[in-house]
Amino acid sequence: QKEVEQNSGPLSVPEGAIASLNCTYSDRGSQSFFWYRQYSGKSPELIMFIYSNGDKEDGRFTAQLNKASQYVSLLIRDSQPSDSATYLCAVNLRDSSASKIIFGSGTRLSIRP
Amino acid sequence: DAGVIQSPRHEVTEMGQEVTLRCKPISGHDYLFWYRQTMMRGLELLIYFNNNVPIDDSGMPEDRFSAKMPNASFSTLKIQPSEPRDSAVYFCASSLAGTSGMNEQFFGPGTRLTVL
Repeated sequence: QKEVEQNSGPLSVPEGAIASLNCTYSDRGSQSFFWYRQYSGKSPELIMFIYSNGDKEDGRFTAQLNKASQYVSLLIRDSQPSDSATYLCAVNLRDSSASKIIFGSGTRLSIRP
Repeated sequence: DAGVIQSPRHEVTEMGQEVTLRCKPISGHDYLFWYRQTMMRGLELLIYFNNNVPIDDSGMPEDRFSAKMPNASFSTLKIQPSEPRDSAVYFCASSLAGTSGMNEQFFGPGTRLTVL
């Protein structure tokens, strides 16, 4: 079992709709969770992080964490064509230092006009 | 701040040659990470440093790979000898440890390595 798993996609969503991206992780003791966005040919950039169970909202983005079920999700409201990118879920594993995070393989999101 | 700087941006070499990738982290950051990204394996952590000291090199594929950080503003990743399967995009990232111990990693633009 991979430490961090994501559906590779592509996930196609119409413009203006809600895009929902999911991620599961294997280490029940994981403490911190991150969502990075990577445009084609570019480097990853952090868009959200979450530590506590529940929802965390930042503009059109909402991160949701459920530690009991070991999943974290990212919702993008009012999807725009500029949201088309690969979204990488990353998890800080319990047995690693606070700074080491493991990335999932990413989900490709395509917003169709 | 200029962000994380990597050089070269593109490198094409022949199998068996030595390759050296370079990274300048963001000034003041105390963590530096080297990642490799391929379509097949995704983004893999190779090694990371804290205050210039290697902390975890468990992701380094084999002895052909080595990394150094002689000072707070410079790091190298060397592959010797290089092989076609080393072809990938290599990212350097840096971060500053916050009071909670959790920190955002800032990525450089990457070096696209092609080994023929």
